[in-house]
Amino acid sequence: AQKITQTQPGMFVQEKEAVTLDCTYDTSDQSYGLFWYKQPSSGEMIFLIYQGSYDEQNATEGRYSLNFQKARKSANLVISASQLGDSAMYFCAMSPNAGNMLTFGGGTRLMVKP
Amino acid sequence: DVKVTQSSRYLVKRTGEKVFLECVQDMDHENMFWYRQDPGLGLRLIYFSYDVKMKEKGDIPEGYSVSREKKERFSLILESASTNQTSMYLCASSPSGPSRDTQYFGPGTRLTVL
Repeated sequence: AQKITQTQPGMFVQEKEAVTLDCTYDTSDQSYGLFWYKQPSSGEMIFLIYQGSYDEQNATEGRYSLNFQKARKSANLVISASQLGDSAMYFCAMSPNAGNMLTFGGGTRLMVKP
Repeated sequence: DVKVTQSSRYLVKRTGEKVFLECVQDMDHENMFWYRQDPGLGLRLIYFSYDVKMKEKGDIPEGYSVSREKKERFSLILESASTNQTSMYLCASSPSGPSRDTQYFGPGTRLTVL
């Protein structure tokens, strides 16, 4: 069974600063995928970034980067230059190689202060 | 643009009522999913379907059933709604490719059972 743990229920960050959202995972699969989603107050889940377990480079998408440390089983999301619009819930999720089923963490609520 | 729509954003039902939540996707995706989202618990998978008329139980199927008569439509059914089924329900779809393919989510239905 897979398990995702997000230990920060809520976080504040000052506008324009960088912030790291923690995610650790547990799986016996050798091949898997890690995802981050953003959920603003409107409720829709927005895909941010993906990291494959065999990808050699850490994934980056604009201001988002994924700090993947396979030996530590961590996949932290780094948001650079925070903006007020980044205030939202953030979810870490993983899927096994065999399919698209996702296991989600409990989420982190990020609040960006002006 | 991938579009996943859900029949209602907000729904209020009484205990014991039969409830139908509808989800439609327009990208010809093979896989469709139903999750419920509760604070601190993240998203938990109720049921998923990888083909028409096929369904598989997720982590929390008790009290729910599903129907997939057409590829684009996946319905979640609460046979006899109970107050502990008050929650946010999210539908998602994805192609049947490798796990790199993200799931695309609908806007969610906030269900209240009185």
